[in-house]
Amino acid sequence: AQRVTQPEKLLSVFKGAPVELKCNYSYSGSPELFWYVQYSRQRLQLLLRHISRESIKGFTADLNKGETSFHLKKPFAQEEDSAMYYCALRVDSNYQLIWGAGTKLIIKP
Amino acid sequence: EPEVTQTPSHQVTQMGQEVILRCVPISNHLYFYWYRQILGQKVEFLVSFYNNEISEKSEIFDDQFSVERPDGSNFTLKIRSTKLEDSAMYFCASSVGLTQRDTQYFGPGTRLTVL
Repeated sequence: AQRVTQPEKLLSVFKGAPVELKCNYSYSGSPELFWYVQYSRQRLQLLLRHISRESIKGFTADLNKGETSFHLKKPFAQEEDSAMYYCALRVDSNYQLIWGAGTKLIIKP
Repeated sequence: EPEVTQTPSHQVTQMGQEVILRCVPISNHLYFYWYRQILGQKVEFLVSFYNNEISEKSEIFDDQFSVERPDGSNFTLKIRSTKLEDSAMYFCASSVGLTQRDTQYFGPGTRLTVL
């Protein structure tokens, strides 16, 4: 069955330090991968998707099919990055998103 | 910027009662979804809806659940006889299409508490 794993429930780093939020997936076909973010008291919103290969708010994520990973990275964390981050997978152009458990990122001043 | 809206923000109900959760998707979107998140657990897909019919549903979406687009703007989730385990945050989402570039936009959620 398809699955998304985010091994860290909580990640705390100092402002200015690099951040890496891990995401691994299990799916044998061609996945569509997304990172969603939920800031305090706000709705889930798309941060980035693998197909776009873009940097949003300084974050990037590269799909590594060999390692079945889609880790989210930012070289220099900012306090406003504190939020809940969810990795999500869509398979075979199905409608549903399959979600990881989420990682709470705390950026310390 | 247009947003998905959901009402109410919090619903408290007694076990066995029917509840209807309401969503207004973004106006030009064609695909609609319901997800739920039980406290401390993953977000789970419930159902997707397109062209006035269910496109896909999960195992969670049993006969107690139904969805409807009654008037061309609202998209509702009905739970016929609520159980304690239905307590969760329910998120509505919508998208223009299904391609990789079509983002699912989420509403703020309705917190359902079943007593």
